[in-house]
Amino acid sequence: DQQVKQNSPSLSVQEGRISILNCDYTNSMFDYFLWYKKYPAEGPTFLISISSIKDKNEDGRFTVFLNKSAKHLSLHIVPSQPGDSAVYFCAAFSFGGFNAGGTSYGKLTFGQGTILTVHP
Amino acid sequence: EAGVAQSPRYKIIEKRQSVAFWCNPISGHATLYWYQQILGQGPKLLIQFQNNGVVDDSQLPKDRFSAERLKGVDSTLKIQPAKLEDSAVYLCASSLVWSWRRGGTGELFFGEGSRLTVL
Repeated sequence: DQQVKQNSPSLSVQEGRISILNCDYTNSMFDYFLWYKKYPAEGPTFLISISSIKDKNEDGRFTVFLNKSAKHLSLHIVPSQPGDSAVYFCAAFSFGGFNAGGTSYGKLTFGQGTILTVHP
Repeated sequence: EAGVAQSPRYKIIEKRQSVAFWCNPISGHATLYWYQQILGQGPKLLIQFQNNGVVDDSQLPKDRFSAERLKGVDSTLKIQPAKLEDSAVYLCASSLVWSWRRGGTGELFFGEGSRLTVL
C-alpha cells in the first residue's frame, strides 16, 4: 500500500531553469508534508515542509505547493543549480498512535524518490 | 551539535551469516528510527522506538531482524540469518518526541547509513 508516490524516477534540468518535483498521496489524515534531499553515501537531510492547512511554503529558492483536493504536492526549485543534483524524497507525517505508556507518537512515510540532475 | 552516528558504514557478508548495525542518536532525541532503503526505493520504516520502548515494528521481519535500544539512547539492529534481498542501506534517524498536543513537523535527522551487501 503505497500511500506516498513519486511517479517520476528522474528529472533533468538546465542550470538556471525551474525544477518541479511532484508527489501524490492517498491518506487524507496526513498532517505535514516534508521534502528531503539525499546525496550519494549520505543520509537524507530535511529541506522544507508544509502544514496540511497551508497551500504554499517558501524558503529561498525552494517553494512547496499543496493541493489538498487533488492530494498532490510539488517542490519548485528556482533557479536550479548543479549542486541541487540529488535524490529528492517526498514524505508525509501523521499521527501514529499511542505507545504503551499512553504517549502519542508520529509516523513518517516516504515516497520512492526522484533523481534530479541539473546540467551546467 | 553532533549528528546521528552509525557504524559500520559498509558491510559485506554471505547469505545466512549475521550482521549488526549500531546507532547513536542526537543527544536529547527520545525517538529513534531504523529505516531500510533498497536501491531505487524510498526509505521503509522497520522499527520506531520512543525512549527504550517500541511504538511501531509492523514492517520488521521478526523471524530474522531484531532491534533493541538499551537505556533509551544507543540502538542496535541485527539480521540473522541474512538473505540476498536484505542488501540495502540501513538508515538510523532520531527526532524529538512528537506529541499530539504540541504538534510539529516531525522532522527526522538521519545518519549517513550502513550499506549492507549480501552475497
